[in-house]
Amino acid sequence: DQQVKQNSPSLSVQEGRISILNCDYTNSMFDYFLWYKKYPAEGPTFLISISSIKDKNEDGRFTVFLNKSAKHLSLHIVPSQPGDSAVYFCAASASNTGKLIFGQGTTLQVKP
Amino acid sequence: KAGVTQTPRYLIKTRGQQVTLSCSPISGHRSVSWYQQTPGQGLQFLFEYFSETQRNKGNFPGRFSGRQFSNSRSEMNVSTLELGDSALYLCASSLVNRVSLNEQFFGPGTRLTVL
Repeated sequence: DQQVKQNSPSLSVQEGRISILNCDYTNSMFDYFLWYKKYPAEGPTFLISISSIKDKNEDGRFTVFLNKSAKHLSLHIVPSQPGDSAVYFCAASASNTGKLIFGQGTTLQVKP
Repeated sequence: KAGVTQTPRYLIKTRGQQVTLSCSPISGHRSVSWYQQTPGQGLQFLFEYFSETQRNKGNFPGRFSGRQFSNSRSEMNVSTLELGDSALYLCASSLVNRVSLNEQFFGPGTRLTVL
């Protein structure tokens, strides 16, 4: 049972435009959500996170939105740059479990 | 500050063999988690160790096991390898034992190929 789902395996956008990556979850106990970025031959690196008490968190070009009622979160990258091309994973955690559940990942390609 | 290191980076084994992977966390980090990454499945949680004790476990068969040493270094062992065990195995360390409060820092992974 996939508790965290990223239904789009890939996304292609033009440089300078907005990239929107989506993630859905099923477990209502999740209270902390993270986005990771992964380049080939490297481990994932932390990008941005959001607690369930918030509905938005912004860090530079990256903004994460959380819609608890829809059990949906999204990552917005504005403006997109070619260096943003990577695999993006969303992850969720319930504070009483101590483990992260990851989605399948979305491959973002930003074209110059 | 050195990052998370994993050895070996690449490994080729045959079915039925066993394998041991090693992970050295960032200095001072006491929590080490292991993940399996396969195409289409994302990162699947294997287990987490904190202070030499397994605190959390994912839904993997008993062929997958691990341990943590007093210096926080961790090893993962897979016995009786199957073709489906071919994957990238990632190790991640964090400063405290509540992953919801701190992001995890990942190593580059060990690419295991089972023939």
